[in-house]
Amino acid sequence: TQLLEQSPQFLSIQEGENLTVYCNSSSVFSSLQWYRQEPGEGPVLLVTVVTGGEVKKLKRLTFQFGDARKDSSLHITAAQPGDTGLYLCAGRPRGFQKLVFGTGTRLLVSP
Amino acid sequence: GAVVSQHPSWVICKSGTSVKIECRSLDFQATTMFWYRQFPKQSLMLMATSNEGSKATYEQGVEKDKFLINHASLTLSTLTVTSAHPEDSSFYICSAREEGGTYNEQFFGPGTRLTVL
Repeated sequence: TQLLEQSPQFLSIQEGENLTVYCNSSSVFSSLQWYRQEPGEGPVLLVTVVTGGEVKKLKRLTFQFGDARKDSSLHITAAQPGDTGLYLCAGRPRGFQKLVFGTGTRLLVSP
Repeated sequence: GAVVSQHPSWVICKSGTSVKIECRSLDFQATTMFWYRQFPKQSLMLMATSNEGSKATYEQGVEKDKFLINHASLTLSTLTVTSAHPEDSSFYICSAREEGGTYNEQFFGPGTRLTVL
């Protein structure tokens, strides 16, 4: 059973378009992280959200934590080719010591 | 801050040989490090949790005698793939948890690509 489901699994868009990636679970998380991974490299931490309903912005990226702390979303405005990569959400469900990763969303932004 | 390095970044070896991968936290101490394996176009799969000064905790299905983990200091963990076979070829990534960090965040190394011929 996958604790964190991401959708869509793959997204191919043109430069300048907007997109949203979803990370959903039936479990409650004390915090959720979003990572971006480029081919052949390790994941890079983008943001951590900890409070239900919290919204964090990182330039053109907007992250939201669900009110019930079971889901999160990542919205990218005016996507650029440099945004291309694998986006992963991750978190520790209550009672878990280990970080659980989402299924991943592969984003391709074409010029 | 919070930089994790891995060495080597890639390695090619013959079937039956052993390969050691190092993971270092460069600017913080990590009593807990993690080893992941990633197949092409897939998410990360946790292999084991490495605890400084004690035995590693392996995930179900991961052979502890094949994937030897040593966490001898607060800044270094090693993963040794023993008697490697072609099916062990993969991208191995370590991460370190910054103890005392605000959210116990994990920071990842750049990964090691292992190819077993």
